[in-house]
Amino acid sequence: SNELTQPPSVSVSPGQTARITCSGDALPKKYAYWYQQKSGQAPVVVIYEDSKRPSGIPERFSGSSSGTMATLTISGTQVEDEADYYCYSTDSSDNHRGVFGGGTKLTVL
Amino acid sequence: QVTLKESGPALVKPTQTLTLTCTFSGFSLSTYGMRVSWIRQPPGKALEWLARIDWDDDKFYSTSLKTRLTISKDTSKNQVVLTMTNMDPVDTATYYCARTNSSSGLVFDYWGQGALVTVSS
Repeated sequence: SNELTQPPSVSVSPGQTARITCSGDALPKKYAYWYQQKSGQAPVVVIYEDSKRPSGIPERFSGSSSGTMATLTISGTQVEDEADYYCYSTDSSDNHRGVFGGGTKLTVL
Repeated sequence: QVTLKESGPALVKPTQTLTLTCTFSGFSLSTYGMRVSWIRQPPGKALEWLARIDWDDDKFYSTSLKTRLTISKDTSKNQVVLTMTNMDPVDTATYYCARTNSSSGLVFDYWGQGALVTVSS
């Protein structure tokens, strides 16, 4: 299996850098993906394969992974970035069964 | 334009079987690399991956729920169906279907709007 652990909440002031971590034993071997979910909406991918940014996602979103920890960094956080963020990866035994982290509520105040 | 939409009962009773349908457009699930997953989210809680079906009819299930889940596809109708047996109030959640195109890795690049299912007698 591959459990992913995230902090329940992170708070930053507008313009500051937010860092959200995701730890999991399989992350040295598996990619991490990051999804942003705003209230009442379906999730949207903001980072895939540890550090790649989909088209249309602002450059202030970046990702990295080292050892058993993946990190989503939002530089110059804006009020509209306030949302829940979920990391996602795959089971340690294969790339077929998915697992989400518990989610992190990002508050921008 | 890729779209997905979940449909099914909004209310089911405990012990009943839930059947949800994901109807999609803009791609074919018979095309190499296409995959559709089901993901759920209880109110106020985290996302949970449930199951996936691939273009070649390979199927994968959450380890914790695999005895209760069945996923299938009807390529001619552009539909994926998820059944979950023995429903319980803890299964109350918004159920999403989402597409993966393996040319983009394992990203869920398109999601449905979600369907809220309440389990209550």
